[in-house]
Amino acid sequence: AQSVTQPDIHITVSEGASLELRCNYSYGATPYLFWYVQSPGQGLQLLLKYFSGDTLVQGIKGFEAEFKRSQSSFNLRKPSVHWSDAAEYFCAARSTGTASKLTFGTGTRLQVTL
Amino acid sequence: GAVVSQHPSWVICKSGTSVKIECRSLDFQATTMFWYRQFPKQSLMLMATSNEGSKATYEQGVEKDKFLINHASLTLSTLTVTSAHPEDSSFYICSQDRGNTEAFFGQGTRLTVV
Repeated sequence: AQSVTQPDIHITVSEGASLELRCNYSYGATPYLFWYVQSPGQGLQLLLKYFSGDTLVQGIKGFEAEFKRSQSSFNLRKPSVHWSDAAEYFCAARSTGTASKLTFGTGTRLQVTL
Repeated sequence: GAVVSQHPSWVICKSGTSVKIECRSLDFQATTMFWYRQFPKQSLMLMATSNEGSKATYEQGVEKDKFLINHASLTLSTLTVTSAHPEDSSFYICSQDRGNTEAFFGQGTRLTVV
């Protein structure tokens, strides 16, 4: 079955420190991959996406993610975290066919200490 | 700016009453919209796929008669929680696809049934 795994439920980093959130997927073929961020009581905002091509993807708010086919991973990174980055982060994937469903990971809650 | 508008942002209703949540596409004609449910500190679970002009497709385990979905126009899908009970309290989010790849999400609706 298709699945997305985020191993870390909760991560705490200091402001200014670097961040890496892990995401692994299990699909028959390489899916489209996404990272979303959700602030409390809000909808989801797309940070970045990978469809094909360059395996290092740049997103908004200084985030980037690297697709590694050999590891079935799509980890999200940020060199220097800001207090405003505290939120819930979801990795998601969908098959490349039309009308495919979006499958979400369980999310990683990021806490930023000052 | 927001491309998917969801209303209301939050609603409190009495047990046994029905509540309607609207999801509007602001700048795109969406033949398909998706409805998700999110429990506190959990990921998004797809409830149903809303198809313009036809019946919605529900995920396994979702009660069709309790969660009525109507997609009468290309810009509006509604989710009605009928005879709501406290266990229906949750965060409901709609989304719409663009180009069969990227999903845009509404702001979400916090439903509390008392």
